[in-house]
Amino acid sequence: EVVLTQSPGTLSLSPGERATLSCRASQSVSSTYLAWYQQKPGQAPRLIYGASSRATGIPDRFSGNVSGTDFTLTISRLEPEDFAVYYCQHYGSSPPIAFGQGTRLEIK
Amino acid sequence: QVQLVESGGGVVQPGRSLRLSCAGSGFTFSNYGMHWVRQAPGKGLEWVAVISYDGSDQYYADSVKGRFTISRDNSKNMLYLQMNSLRAEDTAVYYCARGRQWLVLGKFDNWGQGTQVTVSS
Repeated sequence: EVVLTQSPGTLSLSPGERATLSCRASQSVSSTYLAWYQQKPGQAPRLIYGASSRATGIPDRFSGNVSGTDFTLTISRLEPEDFAVYYCQHYGSSPPIAFGQGTRLEIK
Repeated sequence: QVQLVESGGGVVQPGRSLRLSCAGSGFTFSNYGMHWVRQAPGKGLEWVAVISYDGSDQYYADSVKGRFTISRDNSKNMLYLQMNSLRAEDTAVYYCARGRQWLVLGKFDNWGQGTQVTVSS
């Protein structure tokens, strides 16, 4: 069973800055089965990135990368609407499905 | 456009049962695997269960196995979660989410707005 560990727990940045969010898997996994979600207070999560590509309607300032068991979501230039909680997810080839514990991206 | 609308949440005593529903529209419901995901107050996301597009396969998180049952009625575009023997730790917002076409697993590209379940005496 894959365990995902996200870091940092909270990231404080200013609009216009670059954000780097990390997600480390407990074992080797394919980036094909890794997704990122954004959740704002009182709202449902929204798919941002999955299967190595941005979801529909997501601006290109969001990008994903993988290095071994480390997955990274980068927001190149933060907009005010980007401040939220971000979760990584691994859905693999068989259940269960794992979520990371989340990274809160807050305005500095 | 794709829409998922949950209902059926509420306050229930420990040990009792509750059934959640999720109505899908704007897509061919019977083609997609469907999931339930929950979020306890102030906590992160926890996957609960998935059902295949035709209802033939179901999988559960260990925390709910044996107590919860996921089902679907493709003729009505409806997804269900029957929750029995409820515990305080089941208190959460429950979301339904659309998975991948034809496959059991996949990223969740659409989510409902969620329904609150509170287990308390």
